[in-house]
Amino acid sequence: RKEVEQDPGPFNVPEGATVAFNCTYSNSASQSFFWYRQDCRKEPKLLMSVYSSGNEDGRFTAQLNRASQYISLLIRDSKLSDSATYLCVVRGSQGNLIFGKGTKLSVKP
Amino acid sequence: EPEVTQTPSHQVTQMGQEVILRCVPISNHLYFYWYRQILGQKVEFLVSFYNNEISEKSEIFDDQFSVERPDGSNFTLKIRSTKLEDSAMYFCASRFQTTNEKLFFGSGTQLSVL
Repeated sequence: RKEVEQDPGPFNVPEGATVAFNCTYSNSASQSFFWYRQDCRKEPKLLMSVYSSGNEDGRFTAQLNRASQYISLLIRDSKLSDSATYLCVVRGSQGNLIFGKGTKLSVKP
Repeated sequence: EPEVTQTPSHQVTQMGQEVILRCVPISNHLYFYWYRQILGQKVEFLVSFYNNEISEKSEIFDDQFSVERPDGSNFTLKIRSTKLEDSAMYFCASRFQTTNEKLFFGSGTQLSVL
């Protein structure tokens, strides 16, 4: 089983749509979880950390289900500028980050 | 916001040649990392470095790779004898202290091995 697994997409949605991404991770001992955003040929940028209680940052909501080893990201009222690849990331035991392959989102006018 | 700086942005080399990728982490950061991303693939961990020594490395980081912090500011990744499959974007990253600190990434060096 891959360490971090995501649906690669692409997700093609109209502006204003709500879109959800899912991710599963294999190591039940993992403690820290993140969503990163990566634009084409650029470095990954932290979008938000994911907490057990769920957390929200504007139009973005992240959820964690430890029992199912499942992480989600919900984007509401999507904008053209949200078009990017969204990376599910889990922190390893030594502080290194373990990345999923990413889910590509394309928001169309 | 402080930045991690990487040079060059693009490096072209012949197979079998040595390359050194350079990074200047954020000045008060203590933990340093190299990641790579082959085109169309996921970002992969290579190595972490703390207190002037490697703290963890992946199976990708074989004897052809080495890292060094030659002075107080630079953090380098050396590939001794490049292979075609080393072609990738290489990202340097740093963080201040605890494992919950945000990891700051540089903008990457695109390595092309011909």
